[in-house]
Order: sequence, then C-alpha cells, then structure tokens
Amino acid sequence: GAVVSQHPSWVICKSGTSVKIECRSLDFQATTMFWYRQFPKQSLMLMATSNEGSKATYEQGVEKDKFLINHASLTLSTLTVTSAHPEDSSFYICSVSRRGGRIYNEQFFGPGTRLTVL
Amino acid sequence: QKEVEQNSGPLSVPEGAIASLNCTYSDRGSQSFFWYRQYSGKSPELIMFIYSNGDKEDGRFTAQLNKASQYVSLLIRDSQPSDSATYLCAVFLDAGNNRKLIWGLGTSLAVNP
Repeated sequence: GAVVSQHPSWVICKSGTSVKIECRSLDFQATTMFWYRQFPKQSLMLMATSNEGSKATYEQGVEKDKFLINHASLTLSTLTVTSAHPEDSSFYICSVSRRGGRIYNEQFFGPGTRLTVL
Repeated sequence: QKEVEQNSGPLSVPEGAIASLNCTYSDRGSQSFFWYRQYSGKSPELIMFIYSNGDKEDGRFTAQLNKASQYVSLLIRDSQPSDSATYLCAVFLDAGNNRKLIWGLGTSLAVNP
C-alpha cells in the first residue's frame, strides 16, 4: 500500500492561534488529496478536496477562510486551521488517491493529526 | 443528498463466529464500493473493495454487492478479537467535477474471546 505521512501527529495550541498540518505522499504522485475531520465516536466528515495546482473544493458548511488548504505539489498538501477555537478540536486526517492506482478510486489515509485547542 | 447508511451497532459476536456487516446506499449510479476498518484513535485502512455484483473473497473477508437492491455487505469469517473495530462503508460518487467517497457512519464490531 501507499505511504502517507502527516505532521504533526498531535498538537495542543491556545485559542486564537493558527495551526498548520502537513500531509505528504511519500512514494507516489497524488492526483488528489482529501482532508477529513472526525469528532469522537463520529464518522469521517470530508472537509475539502484538493488537486495539485488548483484551488481546493470545500464541502458545504466548511469555512474556506478558516481552513486554508494549499496543495503545492503532487506530494504535499497543507491544512491551516486559522484562529483555532476549542470547537475545532478534532482528529484531522488526510487521504490521497493516486494516478494509475491498482484499485480505482482507492484512498490511502495518513495516520491523522489530533488537534486540541485550549 | 447522496447517502450511505449503516447500522451503528455495536455488533457483538463470539470469537470464531461470522460477523455480518451491512450497508445501503442511495445513488443507483454508484460503481465503486469500499470497506474500511478503523481502530479507535487510528485512521481508516482499506479492507475490501468491490465493483461488480456478487461476492468477492479475500482471506476471511467476503464482500457482497447487490446493485439492484443497493446494498453492500461484509462478512468476516472466524472472527478474532483483533477484528474488533469500527467498519466504515464508502461509496464512490462520480458527478463531473465532484468526485469523492461518501461515507457511512460505521458499524462498531466487538469480537468476544
């Protein structure tokens, strides 16, 4: 399977600060990267879809000015949570889909980043 | 609104039994179906995928797809305590520029030793 990394794996920050989360595809070029958020005991919620070199497509209800996504290359996407508040505390997970993958439309997930806003 | 529905459980089975997980979806045009397993505090990992009607077997796992009835299921034979996790059903939505997985809420499985 593909290797996807996220950094940091966990972060604690004060309310009002901004936090950047990196997602890297380590062994292939990612056609598309996805950002999810998951609250405790709830399912995955897609936040946005990101294609290299183009603006991210945000899901309904997700504030694009608060959750800034940059997909600078075929192997790196970043999610910045701006002016974080305690309600933004969650598990943030990225996933990638690859060009020419063995399984059509398969998504490979990173290990996730646990954000806690005090 | 495209939807994927699963029974949240928890589904409890004894070790060695067959666990049966079910999922229904609303988009009749869906073509790709996935089962992911998620352990508590971890990210999802792919267990099975299926594109065609019928059964697909991989080790102890069997995925079953019935497009006419719009359901997809996952059977786990000889269940082990290590299978205890949440199982997420995902259906691929391909609508022009909107291409993404639609996720169910997951079924929690507990395999009791």
